[in-house]
Amino acid sequence: DAGVTQSPTHLIKTRGQQVTLRCSPKSGHDTVSWYQQALGQGPQFIFQYYEEEERQRGNFPDRFSGHQFPNYSSELNVNALLLGDSALYLCASTALPRGGPRRATEAFFGQGTRLTVV
Amino acid sequence: SQELEQSPQSLIVQEGKNLTINCTSSKTLYGLYWYKQKYGEGLIFLMMLQKGGEEKSHEKITAKLDEKKQQSSLHITASQPSHAGIYLCGAVSDTGRRALTFGSGTRLQVQP
Repeated sequence: DAGVTQSPTHLIKTRGQQVTLRCSPKSGHDTVSWYQQALGQGPQFIFQYYEEEERQRGNFPDRFSGHQFPNYSSELNVNALLLGDSALYLCASTALPRGGPRRATEAFFGQGTRLTVV
Repeated sequence: SQELEQSPQSLIVQEGKNLTINCTSSKTLYGLYWYKQKYGEGLIFLMMLQKGGEEKSHEKITAKLDEKKQQSSLHITASQPSHAGIYLCGAVSDTGRRALTFGSGTRLQVQP
């Protein structure tokens, strides 16, 4: 089992450019969530996809958008990059919990994509 | 919105010593997650706790969720240099696929 995989691992972009990050969830997982982690802080939730639709969204501007494909993989797109978008972007995959929807479910993370905006 | 506070923010211990990291929530926790992170890398899943009073162990790491489900502790016994890293607690306040809210992390250094 490859676990959660993200690409690329590192990326350098210029202000104003656009970037696309990719994530493949753990085998058997159908839900992908994206997080932004600034240096020295905990991850902040961006949005979550399952059944190819955005289901939840954190406090991030519309410059951040995403997509989920029929094979459950996902993309995070950021337009009009700002210096402040420099961060580690993490993808997490989950699935409907066993034992019914009233239980919490384990969430596994990828190794992240380090984005530097210059 | 739910907020998680971790303490201490950083910790330096001698190899072989025990240590405890705490995570306190502003709301009742439905699920509490512990992760370890090496600098600049992804999060490694350690444990998930859901029931009040629940305790789980993995190797030398034990995590507990208190009865009122608003605080969790992570205890490492006989620390080793391999335990060094950033420990993050994350929480969900509802069922199913809910997104995680994270604390700011505890940086652990273990001196040989």
